[in-house]
Amino acid sequence: DAGITQSPRHKVTETGTPVTLRCHQTENHRYMYWYRQDPGHGLRLIHYSYGVKDTDKGEVSDGYSVSRSKTEDFLLTLESATSSQTSVYFCAISGTGGMGPEQFFGPGTRLTVL
Amino acid sequence: AQSVTQPDIHITVSEGASLELRCNYSYGATPYLFWYVQSPGQGLQLLLKYFSGDTLVQGIKGFEAEFKRSQSSFNLRKPSVHWSDAAEYFCAVGARGAQKLVFGQGTRLTINP
Repeated sequence: DAGITQSPRHKVTETGTPVTLRCHQTENHRYMYWYRQDPGHGLRLIHYSYGVKDTDKGEVSDGYSVSRSKTEDFLLTLESATSSQTSVYFCAISGTGGMGPEQFFGPGTRLTVL
Repeated sequence: AQSVTQPDIHITVSEGASLELRCNYSYGATPYLFWYVQSPGQGLQLLLKYFSGDTLVQGIKGFEAEFKRSQSSFNLRKPSVHWSDAAEYFCAVGARGAQKLVFGQGTRLTINP
């Protein structure tokens, strides 16, 4: 399995509080992604990174920000959590060099916003 | 932009029966195609992928998929399912030269004993 960890694995928070989720990889892959998974929607891309300090928005980026100061870490921040951000969040990584966009996923973080 | 449709939200099959999960994509050229499986409470695991060449690809756990350009489809098949195959299955498409994937909504597979 690809070396991807996510922390925390579970979190319950209240509306209006800031939340940061961490993704850590040991594969030295260039690309990292944050998705959210909701019933009936599959996986939707929030933000992704194509290198240290290089990030871009996905299809559902409103209310989220990201940072990548090191190759191995990709942080997702909810500045002021809302109930609509209750979801399961997955981090993924992919490399280059002929691999195409094949992605490897972390175990997920279940976030509940009350 | 590419898109993916998995027409079946939920499928139930009996253990030992054959399985086919449908995936249709929209993309102007030959895409990269993937099938992932997600067991309850777990992350997604890659089952198989198509990049080019032979249109019938073999994956892990006895699964295979066939790329049909004329039908814009990449259906997943297994000749005989096991109770451990109960999970959610996602089809994904990626564009050539890009590093992002677009996922279908998923098909939940239930296995009857």
